[in-house]
Amino acid sequence: QITLKESGPTLVKPTQTLTLTCTFSGFSLSTSGVGVGWIRQPPGKALEWLALIYWDDDKRYSPSLKSRLTITKDTSKNQVVLTMTNMDPVDTATYYCAHSDYDSSGTFDYWGQGTLVTVSS
Amino acid sequence: AIRMTQSPSSLSASTGDRVTITCRASQGISSYLAWYQQKPGKAPKLLIYAASTLQSGVPSRFSGSGSGTDFTLTISCLQSEDFATYYCQQYYSYPRDFGPGTKVDIK
Repeated sequence: QITLKESGPTLVKPTQTLTLTCTFSGFSLSTSGVGVGWIRQPPGKALEWLALIYWDDDKRYSPSLKSRLTITKDTSKNQVVLTMTNMDPVDTATYYCAHSDYDSSGTFDYWGQGTLVTVSS
Repeated sequence: AIRMTQSPSSLSASTGDRVTITCRASQGISSYLAWYQQKPGKAPKLLIYAASTLQSGVPSRFSGSGSGTDFTLTISCLQSEDFATYYCQQYYSYPRDFGPGTKVDIK
């Protein structure tokens, strides 16, 4: 049974760096074809794809946010960490992490519950 | 980046109706297209991948079709639990962007 859960601060100040952790179970990020991604959703708006890291440490970023994002993995802890620098109120959103696997759907088939991050002074 | 559009942006329907949502990619994505359902306050749920493959556990009233740039999601007989927002997503190239969503509400 695959589960993912996001954790991190619920409130950050403008210009601060956000660090979010995705802790997962039911799969290994050392298995070929497996990846974990991050997606966000501002209140009342659409989903926005942010970043994805694969079993082989290949990393992909949204071009519009690439300069502010870093995605890393800790295979031994079953965690993926996303950092976003220079936070702004427009970054207020629910942040989701999700599992993908080339050998199944190839896209996000399991999602965390999401964590709401508010950017405000 | 490949731009994804959806139509309509919203629709009102009744239980039992047949509903069709369209997704268009700005360039060809073969069949690398997924559909998600999202209910308020919940994470998206994968319904269909590879344009037409039903994810395990998803009711057969959901179906998908298309390839290249034009895709459709059809709900053959709308049920009360289907009122939600639906998103398409391309996973042909990076960034793997989502469409703007289609909200299906009760007429």
